[in-house]
Amino acid sequence: DVKVTQSSRYLVKRTGEKVFLECVQDMDHENMFWYRQDPGLGLRLIYFSYDVKMKEKGDIPEGYSVSREKKERFSLILESASTNQTSMYLCASRLAGAKNIQYFGAGTRLSVL
Amino acid sequence: DQQVKQNSPSLSVQEGRISILNCDYTNSMFDYFLWYKKYPAEGPTFLISISSIKDKNEDGRFTVFLNKSAKHLSLHIVPSQPGDSAVYFCAASAKSSGDKLTFGTGTRLAVRP
Repeated sequence: DVKVTQSSRYLVKRTGEKVFLECVQDMDHENMFWYRQDPGLGLRLIYFSYDVKMKEKGDIPEGYSVSREKKERFSLILESASTNQTSMYLCASRLAGAKNIQYFGAGTRLSVL
Repeated sequence: DQQVKQNSPSLSVQEGRISILNCDYTNSMFDYFLWYKKYPAEGPTFLISISSIKDKNEDGRFTVFLNKSAKHLSLHIVPSQPGDSAVYFCAASAKSSGDKLTFGTGTRLAVRP
């Protein structure tokens, strides 16, 4: 079974703080993704990575950056957290070249006060 | 611009009856479609998928139908069980867009015992 682990289930941060959300997958998947889920908006893609050291902007990258130094780990960084970044953040991974099925972590609920 | 739409935010069905969840899309380049199920406080889990070369795919109680001319897909759950109560997201991807998934806004299904 694919396991995608997000380091925190709940986080509370203050406006202006730098925030790191960590994601680790154990199935040697090349592709990894970060989404945020908001009521009425579904899942929206923030950033993704096709392989180590690679990163691509998704649909809503503003205010975020990512890091992929190792294949199994994909970090989402909020450079200066703002209240409109309060959301559920979901990490996913996918095996490149296989069926286009992404496997998700349990999510991190971030509150920015 | 919402390319994948789930127009029913919620659906309530009696246990044992059929649940039909609907999804419409606008991008004719989409060639792979998926349904995910999400319980509260968990990440989405893959349920079933269909390629654009097919019009039906069945897996146990779950069947996905694709009508390309109408740009419409549906998920049928028969018979519905209380454990099926969750939020269901449809998603679509196109090889021309690097297989990124575009998600709908979700439909909350409640199966009444």
